[in-house]
Amino acid sequence: DTEVTQTPKHLVMGMTNKKSLKCEQHMGHRAMYWYKQKAKKPPELMFVYSYEKLSINESVPSRFSPECPNSSLLNLHLHALQPEDSALYLCASSQANYNEQFFGPGTRLTVL
Amino acid sequence: AQSVTQPDIHITVSEGASLELRCNYSYGATPYLFWYVQSPGQGLQLLLKYFSGDTLVQGIKGFEAEFKRSQSSFNLRKPSVHWSDAAEYFCAVGVGSNFGNEKLTFGTGTRLTIIP
Repeated sequence: DTEVTQTPKHLVMGMTNKKSLKCEQHMGHRAMYWYKQKAKKPPELMFVYSYEKLSINESVPSRFSPECPNSSLLNLHLHALQPEDSALYLCASSQANYNEQFFGPGTRLTVL
Repeated sequence: AQSVTQPDIHITVSEGASLELRCNYSYGATPYLFWYVQSPGQGLQLLLKYFSGDTLVQGIKGFEAEFKRSQSSFNLRKPSVHWSDAAEYFCAVGVGSNFGNEKLTFGTGTRLTIIP
């Protein structure tokens, strides 16, 4: 299996909702990443998990809360988001000692 | 800090014509270099990568790129484009000394349009 999967594909939520994005990979990769991508912009790194431990947090607001329950799963918990948080959220994974990252198809998030 | 410049925001080429997308990077040592392609509303797909060795690298879908240290460039080429190549192309540089702390820095992207 050489895929990174993300669910849901689309998500619409209100500013008072709590929702979660899920990412899964079965390539044995030990680093997983969350990116945020606005329209016509490159992806911006949010979080990096290495061996299920948070290793990088790019000063992301606390309304985004990542979680890595095991080496194959990565979640992004969302609470009290703002309309400007509407974007494509991409998950990626990489193998030990390589920078080559494999991306999932993304979750298109709309905050009303 | 590393940076990546893609000077062309939008390029239009005819189907069957050759293509070159430019990428310049700034980094003190030899970086890891990547080209990714993204179709609208989709994730990023890796086209090719350069870590070391042969400076001409071959990728998927008939793409190749050449690393030129003297010019700090990593330009992407394809001899004959197909309509399905229309997409956004991102050049990226990867640095990091400790596993799990690698960061990819992306260029701003080049949108490729193919005309019949």
